[in-house]
Amino acid sequence: DTEVTQTPKHLVMGMTNKKSLKCEQHMGHRAMYWYKQKAKKPPELMFVYSYEKLSINESVPSRFSPECPNSSLLNLHLHALQPEDSALYLCASSQPGPNSYEQYFGPGTRLTVT
Amino acid sequence: AQKITQTQPGMFVQEKEAVTLDCTYDTSDPSYGLFWYKQPSSGEMIFLIYQGSYDQQNATEGRYSLNFQKARKSANLVISASQLGDSAMYFCAMRRNYGGSQGNLIFGKGTKLSVKP
Repeated sequence: DTEVTQTPKHLVMGMTNKKSLKCEQHMGHRAMYWYKQKAKKPPELMFVYSYEKLSINESVPSRFSPECPNSSLLNLHLHALQPEDSALYLCASSQPGPNSYEQYFGPGTRLTVT
Repeated sequence: AQKITQTQPGMFVQEKEAVTLDCTYDTSDPSYGLFWYKQPSSGEMIFLIYQGSYDQQNATEGRYSLNFQKARKSANLVISASQLGDSAMYFCAMRRNYGGSQGNLIFGKGTKLSVKP
């Protein structure tokens, strides 16, 4: 099973709302990633978790709060977002380590902030 | 600093013909990985092929092959016998290593491939 699932597929939220994105994988991967992708642009890394610990935060604003409750789950908590945060949010997983293992991506959550 | 360059914003190819998508990279790391992903309009990033910096042979996966020229720092994707379903955005990516522990992907800007019937 090489599947990464993400819920919800679409999300519309106001600037005062609090919502969460969820990502799940059952491939035994111990590294999980959040990427943000604006229209017609490549994905940009936001966060990396390795062995359930946050290892990389690419200077993401605090209105985005990641959480990795266990090795299979990755959440992204959203609060007080801005309209410019509207984008496709992609989750990925891989084996951690110095070798270049491929990352498997989920289908993404299309977020619209109104 | 690591960088990936894809100079072709859009490409057209006739169905059943082969097409080459260009990718050049810049890194001073001795060890790195190069990847190609396909992204249809649905949004999911689909892994296609991987080439390690120490691999002696070019990677192949079915109709996909990677033309790796290390001295030129290029990693072009060749798709043989194009199909209508190949129409998508294609991203070249490089994996960075942070202190040898784990890394993340740096993506090029992408090439939009359109296959004509």
